[in-house]
Amino acid sequence: AQSVTQPDIHITVSEGASLELRCNYSYGATPYLFWYVQSPGQGLQLLLKYFSGDTLVQGIKGFEAEFKRSQSSFNLRKPSVHWSDAAEYFCAVGGSSNTGKLIFGQGTTLQVKP
Amino acid sequence: DGGITQSPKYLFRKEGQNVTLSCEQNLNHDAMYWYRQDPGQGLRLIYYSQIVNDFQKGDIAEGYSVSREKKESFPLTVTSAQKNPTAFYLCASRGLTNTGELFFGEGSRLTVL
Repeated sequence: AQSVTQPDIHITVSEGASLELRCNYSYGATPYLFWYVQSPGQGLQLLLKYFSGDTLVQGIKGFEAEFKRSQSSFNLRKPSVHWSDAAEYFCAVGGSSNTGKLIFGQGTTLQVKP
Repeated sequence: DGGITQSPKYLFRKEGQNVTLSCEQNLNHDAMYWYRQDPGQGLRLIYYSQIVNDFQKGDIAEGYSVSREKKESFPLTVTSAQKNPTAFYLCASRGLTNTGELFFGEGSRLTVL
């Protein structure tokens, strides 16, 4: 079955510290992978995506993610977290089929301590 | 600016009433989607449409209905048959030429009293 798992429901980091949010997926075909961010009561904004090529992808707001096929993972990283990064983060997987359906993980809530 | 507009942002209804959530996009996207978001459950797909006058059920379509009469519009009706309608509803769209990412509206929060 196709699925996405974000093992960490809630993460707290200090401002300026590094961040890694984990994402594992199960998908039968070549996956397209995404990270979205959501502020409270708002829609989702795309941070970055992977669909082919270089397995390290850069996104907006200083985020990056690395696709590791052997581990079925697509972890999100940021070297130095800012207080404005506090939000909920969703990993999603889709494929090259034309339906465009994405399967989302449960989300990870990031809290940033001053 | 191009984007997706959902309305209303907040909606309160009594049990047994049908409600319709609006979703309009001016991105010229062919495909549109409705997701439901509940705390701790991520986003779950309700319905999607890839072309005008055609739509398909997602994973949790029971108690919902949609229409796609115009390319720009994809309204969602939450019927009285939906057992737990209180949730945050997100509309999204996608252009068929892009690499799969969805563009989201700001969401509509429905509370059934």
